Amino acid sequence: NAGVTQTPKFQVLKTGQSMTLQCAQDMNHEYMSWYRQDPGMGLRLIHYSVGAGITDQGEVPNGYNVSRSTTEDFPLRLLSAAPSQTSVYFCASSLRWSSGNTIYFGEGSWLTVV
Amino acid sequence: QQQVKQSPQSLIVQKGGISIINCAYENTAFDYFPWYQQFPGKGPALLIAIRPDVSEKKEGRFTISFNKSAKQFSLHIMDSQPGDSATYFCAASKRDTGGFKTIFGAGTRLFVKA
Repeated sequence: NAGVTQTPKFQVLKTGQSMTLQCAQDMNHEYMSWYRQDPGMGLRLIHYSVGAGITDQGEVPNGYNVSRSTTEDFPLRLLSAAPSQTSVYFCASSLRWSSGNTIYFGEGSWLTVV
Repeated sequence: QQQVKQSPQSLIVQKGGISIINCAYENTAFDYFPWYQQFPGKGPALLIAIRPDVSEKKEGRFTISFNKSAKQFSLHIMDSQPGDSATYFCAASKRDTGGFKTIFGAGTRLFVKA
């Protein structure tokens, strides 16, 4: 099992450009999510999905779109990149929609917006 | 609004010493308290977790102490080793409309000196 795989690992964008961070999991997990990690801020939830075709906003959704057409894939789209979106992004998944389930994270995508 | 407060931000411990990281939460609806460990360039991974019906959980050199009345919990790393150098996140999870919500602390960067 590869677990949670996200690409690209590193990306530099110019302000106003758009891009998609890809995420796939091979554990047949129902729940998938995207977090951003900033110094001193911990991990903040951007968007999440409880299953194919169902998505919802997290704590910091502005400037990002998601879709969940399959159980395995959960891409994150930056619509018009801004310097404030410079961050490390983590895709994550959990088996079920329950507070006691382990969250499995990908290895991260380092995004710089100039 | 930060619902999980973590301290200290950074910690330097001598090899063989005890590392202690503290967290406090506000919402009594939280019912699962995990700790995640993150090595540089990697995603966070579950280290140990506790439910509020127990006051302590130990796994090897790692122990969670939980004080329900004070709404505080802490991670103790006994006999700290250089390989324990990482960022540690506490978290709190609860059932929420549509599923569950996990709130992460800001993180503690631990450095164990050889």
